[in-house]
Amino acid sequence: QVQLVQSGAEVKKPGASVKVSCKASGYTFTGYYMHWVRQAPGHGLEWMGWIAPNSGGTKYAQKFQGRVTLTRDTSISTAYMELSRLRSDDTAIYYCAIGGYSSSWFLNWYFDLWGRGTLVTVSS
Amino acid sequence: QSVLTQPPSVSGAPGQRVTISCTGSSSNIGAGYDVHWYQQLPGTAPKLLIYGNNNRPSGVPDRFSGSKSGTSASLAITGLQAEDEADYYCQSYDSSLSGWVFGGGTKLTVL
Repeated sequence: QVQLVQSGAEVKKPGASVKVSCKASGYTFTGYYMHWVRQAPGHGLEWMGWIAPNSGGTKYAQKFQGRVTLTRDTSISTAYMELSRLRSDDTAIYYCAIGGYSSSWFLNWYFDLWGRGTLVTVSS
Repeated sequence: QSVLTQPPSVSGAPGQRVTISCTGSSSNIGAGYDVHWYQQLPGTAPKLLIYGNNNRPSGVPDRFSGSKSGTSASLAITGLQAEDEADYYCQSYDSSLSGWVFGGGTKLTVL
């Protein structure tokens, strides 16, 4: 069964860091870029970045540059998203997702498999 | 403020047809990047509904269709059903931001 299983909910204080995991199963982990998307309560979706599990290469959204770090452990088919210097507005559900791209163009990424999400609450 | 603009809400009666617009600019949809659509039921992860402007993944009913023209795209839902009540998001790539962007989402209410 193809799935992405994420780690459990976290509660953090402002200024702290959080690391969320996403374990892949049912497909070749190194064959698909892993993206991270977050959703603040009552708000829309926000793309954060991707990691290429094969090479470890990464690309981050400009908004999160310097605060987010994506890593992976290919031996256990798991990707990680670490967000530092947390603020209250980082309270959100964080999703990992994989997919493909349309029209044979790498920039036309879409996401057809999502994890269930990890709620990160930032509160003093 | 989202880079891709969607109406906050739309509604329709069962059996009717509704459309959801997604308006972008010359750095995203207008630049030729494809548009994808997602459905998000309450408390669940988004589900891919349309990819590559007008393609349906396996298992998505043909009541759902997508189109794109110029700097905008649309999602059409025909034969509305109660189970279609959800939030819908468009998504594309933006060259100015060098990243993937989503619309602000549209809440569909089935009356």
